[in-house]
Amino acid sequence: TQLLEQSPQFLSIQEGENLTVYCNSSSVFSSLQWYRQEPGEGPVLLVTVVTGGEVKKLKRLTFQFGDARKDSSLHITAAQPGDTGLYLCAGPRAPGGTSYGKLTFGQGTILTVHP
Amino acid sequence: GAVVSQHPSWVICKSGTSVKIECRSLDFQATTMFWYRQFPKQSLMLMATSNEGSKATYEQGVEKDKFLINHASLTLSTLTVTSAHPEDSSFYICSAREGWGSHSPLHFGNGTRLTVT
Repeated sequence: TQLLEQSPQFLSIQEGENLTVYCNSSSVFSSLQWYRQEPGEGPVLLVTVVTGGEVKKLKRLTFQFGDARKDSSLHITAAQPGDTGLYLCAGPRAPGGTSYGKLTFGQGTILTVHP
Repeated sequence: GAVVSQHPSWVICKSGTSVKIECRSLDFQATTMFWYRQFPKQSLMLMATSNEGSKATYEQGVEKDKFLINHASLTLSTLTVTSAHPEDSSFYICSAREGWGSHSPLHFGNGTRLTVT
């Protein structure tokens, strides 16, 4: 079973600070996804990265896929209280396989941004 | 965009009763639906994979007789928690896969909070 190790598990910062969340595995993934989830709601897809070394930006969020496709990171610049939530990385279950919908999730990072 | 509707959004039931949770794809046909369970401040754990017209595939450790899954159409899957107990209290989330492509998009429902008293 492929595992995704996410760190840190908890992150509490002040508004305006920068932060990085890491998602690591010993297995190769064909793609990785990042989700954000708020309490009482389902996860919302932020981005999918599919190419080794790929960098994607979504406003203040920067996502990177490792060259070997075994790791990914999410960097938030100048965090805001609205960024508070649970951030999850996820990848397809099949080793190196394509995404057929069955996902393995990392443990999640609970981010709290204080005003 | 594609929407997955989960109903109810929350439910409280007494121990020993059964609860049915519905997952509907509103504007697309869901080739496959997935059921996840999530405890507070934890990640999502896959419970089962549901394909229309066939039996669900359960993950190791998930009791198929306790968590009954029915996928009668391409737009509806149901999860029934039978003889619920307090330890079944959790947040249940479904996702639906749109299309057959290797990177076909997944859409998540908003979850159902089950509390068993």
